[in-house]
Amino acid sequence: DTGVSQDPRHKITKRGQNVTFRCDPISEHNRLYWYRQTLGQGPEFLTYFQNEAQLEKSRLLSDRFSAERPKGSFSTLEIQRTEQGDSAMYLCASSLTGGYNEQFFGPGTRLTVL
Amino acid sequence: QKEVEQNSGPLSVPEGAIASLNCTYSDRGSQSFFWYRQYSGKSPELIMFIYSNGDKEDGRFTAQLNKASQYVSLLIRDSQPSDSATYLCAVNNSGDQAGTALIFGKGTTLSVSS
Repeated sequence: DTGVSQDPRHKITKRGQNVTFRCDPISEHNRLYWYRQTLGQGPEFLTYFQNEAQLEKSRLLSDRFSAERPKGSFSTLEIQRTEQGDSAMYLCASSLTGGYNEQFFGPGTRLTVL
Repeated sequence: QKEVEQNSGPLSVPEGAIASLNCTYSDRGSQSFFWYRQYSGKSPELIMFIYSNGDKEDGRFTAQLNKASQYVSLLIRDSQPSDSATYLCAVNNSGDQAGTALIFGKGTTLSVSS
């Protein structure tokens, strides 16, 4: 069990640029989640996949954000036309279907928008 | 707006003492309750989960749940300096399609002095 991995770990970009993050879940986990965390706050849910299907998306999520999980394995999160307010830690988590949905987080991607 | 409330702290305890962390939640339909530990600059780490009213013990950690009062707590016995971290309470969002997204509190910062 290698755990959830995320790439890159850090990203610095200029306002208006597009960025893409990758998440590889724990191998047998078919549920994958994206959260965002800013300083002093708890993680905030963004979106959720079961296998390749995106089943839930936060109403707070801007249209500039899009996520995919094309083959039900890794997932990507893209932010278009980044804004300074997008600066945050982007966290990916995975879990098994069934049970009580214990979610395990990856190390996160820290985004800084200048 | 569903909320999870935690005292931000800091909660300061001497080494060897019991640390008591508390959390209240607003979603009466929540069924799964989690405690995560987060060290500064790191991602959240799952340390306890509980689904039934009462107590659940795991080593030095005890989680307590009272659904009628919408209250969850975490006790850490024999606190160690390595327990110094932010503790995040999370509950599942019963309102989303699969009830799997987690709603997090802002966390309580624990400081254990040697």
